[in-house]
Amino acid sequence: GQQVMQIPQYQHVQEGEDFTTYCNSSTTLSNIQWYKQRPGGHPVFLIQLVKSGEVKKQKRLTFQFGEAKKNSSLHITATQTTDVGTYFCAAINTNAGKSTFGDGTTLTVKP
Amino acid sequence: DAGITQSPRHKVTETGTPVTLRCHQTENHRYMYWYRQDPGHGLRLIHYSYGVKDTDKGEVSDGYSVSRSKTEDFLLTLESATSSQTSVYFCAINRVLYNEQFFGPGTRLTVL
Repeated sequence: GQQVMQIPQYQHVQEGEDFTTYCNSSTTLSNIQWYKQRPGGHPVFLIQLVKSGEVKKQKRLTFQFGEAKKNSSLHITATQTTDVGTYFCAAINTNAGKSTFGDGTTLTVKP
Repeated sequence: DAGITQSPRHKVTETGTPVTLRCHQTENHRYMYWYRQDPGHGLRLIHYSYGVKDTDKGEVSDGYSVSRSKTEDFLLTLESATSSQTSVYFCAINRVLYNEQFFGPGTRLTVL
């Protein structure tokens, strides 16, 4: 089945610094989704990328899908304490209705 | 988020006892999922359902069974709980608009 590798596993930043997490697959993905999980909470859907080379922005968050559709990234500009949590990418198998999640990147932000 | 609930939210049980976790949705979605989340392992799919009485295994299905007799309910059963099944269990539904997974609040299960 599909596997997605996510790096780094942990990232500690000072408030105001930028943050990036990467998601890589050995196979071509039909699409990729990103989720955020706050400490003690449940994963919450952020966005879906479908097209090769696609870039989407949500305020300070920028999501990219690689040209070969084998990798994706989430970049946060000028982190805030509200950005803390674990960010997951997920590869979607639309035929089977299943998702494969990366292991996540846990972001901590020091005020 | 009232569309999906899980019960119980917390449970402590002993090794060898049966445990059933319930997931209930109010949105009439076809696909439902059970995941477990452990430190360093992200979310791993246990079982999923694509309709009433239609279920299939995920990547970590050993020791778990599921049932779906109604669209709104998806039950996860640990026939004989083991300490390795101590985890946080999340139920999810698949919302059609973006094919997104919408998660319940989770159940924290401790097997002593």
